Amino acid sequence: RKEVEQDPGPFNVPEGATVAFNCTYSNSASQSFFWYRQDCRKEPKLLMSVYSSGNEDGRFTAQLNRASQYISLLIRDSKLSDSATYLCVVNPYNTDKLIFGTGTRLQVFP
Amino acid sequence: SAVISQKPSRDICQRGTSLTIQCQVDSQVTMMFWYRQQPGQSLTLIATANQGSEATYESGFVIDKFPISRPNLTFSTLTVSNMSPEDSSIYLCSAERDRGTEAFFGQGTRLTVV
Repeated sequence: RKEVEQDPGPFNVPEGATVAFNCTYSNSASQSFFWYRQDCRKEPKLLMSVYSSGNEDGRFTAQLNRASQYISLLIRDSKLSDSATYLCVVNPYNTDKLIFGTGTRLQVFP
Repeated sequence: SAVISQKPSRDICQRGTSLTIQCQVDSQVTMMFWYRQQPGQSLTLIATANQGSEATYESGFVIDKFPISRPNLTFSTLTVSNMSPEDSSIYLCSAERDRGTEAFFGQGTRLTVV
C-alpha cells in the first residue's frame, strides 16, 4: 500500500461547482498534513495545512479523519483559476521528510 | 514563508556531462531537500541536504551520481553527474523552517539531456 494515495482524476467541473478530493495515508502515527497546489510547469505551493479540528480558508475547507486515516479538501464555488493539480502531503510521525501523493488534477470549465 | 531562488531554471546538456543546480533561501532554515519530478508524476525525494555533513539519500539515489552540498543554513547545491537521457526531469529544492512543518519550493530546474 502506498504511503499516501489520491485519486489522480482528472476532475472536470463547471465554474461554480463544489468539488471534493480525498486522500488516504497508511501511517497511523502521522502528525502533520498539508494540501499543496501545483500549476502546470510550476513548483508546488502550499494551499493549506490540515488541522485535527478541520479548517477553512475562504472557499477551501480541509478536514482530517484520523480514525479512517484520510484527509479531504473541499472547494466551493469553483473558479477557472482553481484548475491545477492538488497534492496531498503527509509528515509521518514527525520525521524529517514529507511524503507527497501523486496529485489530483482539477479542470474547471466555463 | 521562505523565498527560495533556484537556478538554472532550465538547461539542455550533453550526455556524460554534469550540471550543478543551486538553491538559495532568503532566511535560515532547518531542513533542505532535493526532489525529482517526471512529467505527470509526483515528487520523488532524492536526498535530505544536511548542513555541514553528508546528505542523506533515499533508496535508489547515490552520492556519486547526485553529490549534494550544504555549506550553511541558506544554501545548497545538487549536481547531476555523468548525465544520461534518463536524467531528464524537473529537479526541485525545498526548505522547511523546522522539522515536519510545511515545505517551500524553488522554481525548479527543467533538465533535458541529449
